[in-house]
Amino acid sequence: AAGVIQSPRHLIKEKRETATLKCYPIPRHDTVYWYQQGPGQDPQFLISFYEKMQSDKGSIPDRFSAQQFSDYHSELNMSSLELGDSALYFCASISIGTSEDNEQFFGPGTRLTVL
Amino acid sequence: AQSVTQLDSHVSVSEGTPVLLRCNYSSSYSPSLFWYVQHPNKGLQLLLKYTSAATLVKGINGFEAEFKKSETSFHLTKPSAHMSDAAEYFCVVSEGDSSYKLIFGSGTRLLVRP
Repeated sequence: AAGVIQSPRHLIKEKRETATLKCYPIPRHDTVYWYQQGPGQDPQFLISFYEKMQSDKGSIPDRFSAQQFSDYHSELNMSSLELGDSALYFCASISIGTSEDNEQFFGPGTRLTVL
Repeated sequence: AQSVTQLDSHVSVSEGTPVLLRCNYSSSYSPSLFWYVQHPNKGLQLLLKYTSAATLVKGINGFEAEFKKSETSFHLTKPSAHMSDAAEYFCVVSEGDSSYKLIFGSGTRLLVRP
């Protein structure tokens, strides 16, 4: 079965650079969630999109923005990168309309390293 | 607001002995509860989930969890630990009322001694 795809899997950037992370949800899933997991930390919710509209917002810095496109893939744009942005970024998807149990399906994550 | 507390940051067991990872939750609604496992430098794998059906939930790799509303607990157990069980375990609650975002506990690192 198709899973959530994230690209790239690894990314190395310098401070003050920008980065774009991509997430391709499971086919027919209408909702995407982004989470950030710092070193030794638990994942923290950043932002979510339902049917291409932002549905919820967590602890996402103003330097970050995200959107969901017509094909339901989502991109997380990160500008003016800081050392503290180094983390594992997870994307998860769900079909809100058909899900019976709120289970989100996670991608493998993108590991961002800021030097 | 919903929250999750994992009572132990580290648990160490011998191979072949039982595993107990404790989790308490706080919820204003009927929650959905999950346990995820994360092996080093890997993604998140769903072990099991509770969604208001049976209170005893069976998951993969021999893990179980019991939802106890009176105790607001959702402890994870396994009768016999295997070396491959060594990983980080997250107890997770979903708000589910108007948002499905997941709220993670701080994690429990399970160490399995030979």
